[in-house]
Amino acid sequence: AQSVTQLDSQVPVFEEAPVELRCNYSSSVSVYLFWYVQYPNQGLQLLLKYLSGSTLVKGINGFEAEFNKSQTSFHLRKPSVHISDTAEYFCAVSDQLPGGSEKLVFGKGTKLTVNP
Amino acid sequence: DVKVTQSSRYLVKRTGEKVFLECVQDMDHENMFWYRQDPGLGLRLIYFSYDVKMKEKGDIPEGYSVSREKKERFSLILESASTNQTSMYLCASSQGVGGSKLFFGSGTQLSVL
Repeated sequence: AQSVTQLDSQVPVFEEAPVELRCNYSSSVSVYLFWYVQYPNQGLQLLLKYLSGSTLVKGINGFEAEFNKSQTSFHLRKPSVHISDTAEYFCAVSDQLPGGSEKLVFGKGTKLTVNP
Repeated sequence: DVKVTQSSRYLVKRTGEKVFLECVQDMDHENMFWYRQDPGLGLRLIYFSYDVKMKEKGDIPEGYSVSREKKERFSLILESASTNQTSMYLCASSQGVGGSKLFFGSGTQLSVL
């Protein structure tokens, strides 16, 4: 079974600073990777995903992530954050199940706080 | 836009009560999921379903059951609520396999007293 580790539970940064949220997953032959964002009092929404192809994936709101197979990592980055990026970010990996179905396994989340 | 609707935003129940959490999606998705979200623990999968009347246990199914009589509706049932089931419950749906996007509801914050 797949597992996901988000190395930082909280990341405080100043507005307009760059940020990196770290994510490592357990190794597998093939893997689909995701970042979801949860704004306060809302459900989760997809930020970006990696299925195949280019290892650099661009998402919404200026975020991007890089798939690194040798390091089993999928770190999320943004060159300049805004106050509105304050949210909790979840890394997830797709776990293929016998019978053909699949489920998403989530990390424990990283709370990003952007300060003025 | 896909809409996943959870019937209650906040719910307060007493220990031992039978609790129903309802979730409806409007995009004819095959797959539906129930997660619980707890601070510091992230999202943990309780049950999921990839077809009507089909259900699969997730990682923490104990104390829960589910029902999927219609494709658009997926219900989570707490047979006898306990205080350790106080949590945020999130429903999600998706179509197909191969890295499909999950669409989430806004969540139900359940408090069991």
